[in-house]
Amino acid sequence: SQQGEEDPQALSIQEGENATMNCSYKTSINNLQWYRQNSGRGLVHLILIRSNEREKHSGRLRVTLDTSKKSSSLLITASRAADTASYFCATDEADSWGKFQFGAGTQVVVTP
Amino acid sequence: EAQVTQNPRYLITVTGKKLTVTCSQNMNHEYMSWYRQDPGLGLRQIYYSMNVEVTDKGDVPEGYKVSRKEKRNFPLILESPSPNQTSLYFCASQRTGSYNEQFFGPGTRLTVL
Repeated sequence: SQQGEEDPQALSIQEGENATMNCSYKTSINNLQWYRQNSGRGLVHLILIRSNEREKHSGRLRVTLDTSKKSSSLLITASRAADTASYFCATDEADSWGKFQFGAGTQVVVTP
Repeated sequence: EAQVTQNPRYLITVTGKKLTVTCSQNMNHEYMSWYRQDPGLGLRQIYYSMNVEVTDKGDVPEGYKVSRKEKRNFPLILESPSPNQTSLYFCASQRTGSYNEQFFGPGTRLTVL
């Protein structure tokens, strides 16, 4: 079963705008991670937030985590055409480290 | 260069013909995992391995086998492939621990006719 579910499924914005996507999950987790995938290629790790953290920043990325709602958001500020990709959240279950669940992803298109 | 490699990158085969997809990492990671990616479903974990000779089922292990005889290699075996195993497969590795990232291979696109 899919642990993480992302919203929206697709997002189209213009360069310079912000992109926000959300992820919901079902069980207790150790951490939540966001990955990026360019057109069928391997996933690249973006950022990890631990279950006891609420917010984390990395460059133009901002991630929030609300464990009471079992949800997370990824904000990309001042988007660029090169940010066009699919973005996935991934969680590892607190009681069984090693089992990872990925969401279905948000496809982001940034037009110049 | 630190990397995860997979071979082959593309494979077209027929139903029932046994195949192996290799995965190798050069980062001395204890943990390795296999995923399949299908449109609209994201990545689903097939099997994972916490260390040599230790493997566990993920969410979709049916029809697949794995082995972990060496730390660097984690091959995925399809004994009798079927068309519903047509998918994009990814191998990943990670240093053990909850706060480390996974490194992904480039993917293997498998078509079973």
